[in-house]
Amino acid sequence: GAVVSQHPSRVICKSGTSVKIECRSLDFQATTMFWYRQFPKQSLMLMATSNEGSKATYEQGVEKDKFLINHASLTLSTLTVTSAHPEDSSFYICSAKEQGLHTEAFFGQGTRLTVV
Amino acid sequence: GQNIDQPTEMTATEGAIVQINCTYQTSGFNGLFWYQQHAGEAPTFLSYNVLDGLEERGRFSSFLSRSKGYSYLLLKELQMKDSASYLCAVRDYGGATNKLIFGTGTLLAVQP
Repeated sequence: GAVVSQHPSRVICKSGTSVKIECRSLDFQATTMFWYRQFPKQSLMLMATSNEGSKATYEQGVEKDKFLINHASLTLSTLTVTSAHPEDSSFYICSAKEQGLHTEAFFGQGTRLTVV
Repeated sequence: GQNIDQPTEMTATEGAIVQINCTYQTSGFNGLFWYQQHAGEAPTFLSYNVLDGLEERGRFSSFLSRSKGYSYLLLKELQMKDSASYLCAVRDYGGATNKLIFGTGTLLAVQP
């Protein structure tokens, strides 16, 4: 399958700072990328869908000013958690897919964010 | 609304067969996926159904009935390493972008 690289795998930051998470498709052009967050022992919750070159579409209840998503190229999307607070501590996972209704999405390795 | 349900936890014995059920009610449907996730790791793809019936992939099989909004994942010859969470996900039509909506996940414990 295709490879999606997510970086960093772990990050610890101080409350009030911002953290950027990168999601790269290494061997295909990702026209669409998805960002999920996952709390312990819970399932993946879709936060937003981003299409290359356009604004991200956020799910209900997700603050777009809090979670900034940029998808400036066909191989890179970034999620920036702004003014992070301890309640933002979570596992963040991206997935990427090529253009087309039936193409499969591939997951990155995930980022464990801890805000102290 | 979107609703995808799975049992929260299951326990099975090494070498046995286990079936994990998933029921869904979504505004659109463009395929159902099963993923395995070990703690602290990203999900890995197991199986995919878009038409009714059974799809077999080695020790894993998945069944889909679109009219009933129902799927199951069948794991045969269970191994200890199969202890993980199993996630059912429906691909929903989102205009030009299909998005995966995940179920609650089933934590499977395989015992000796």
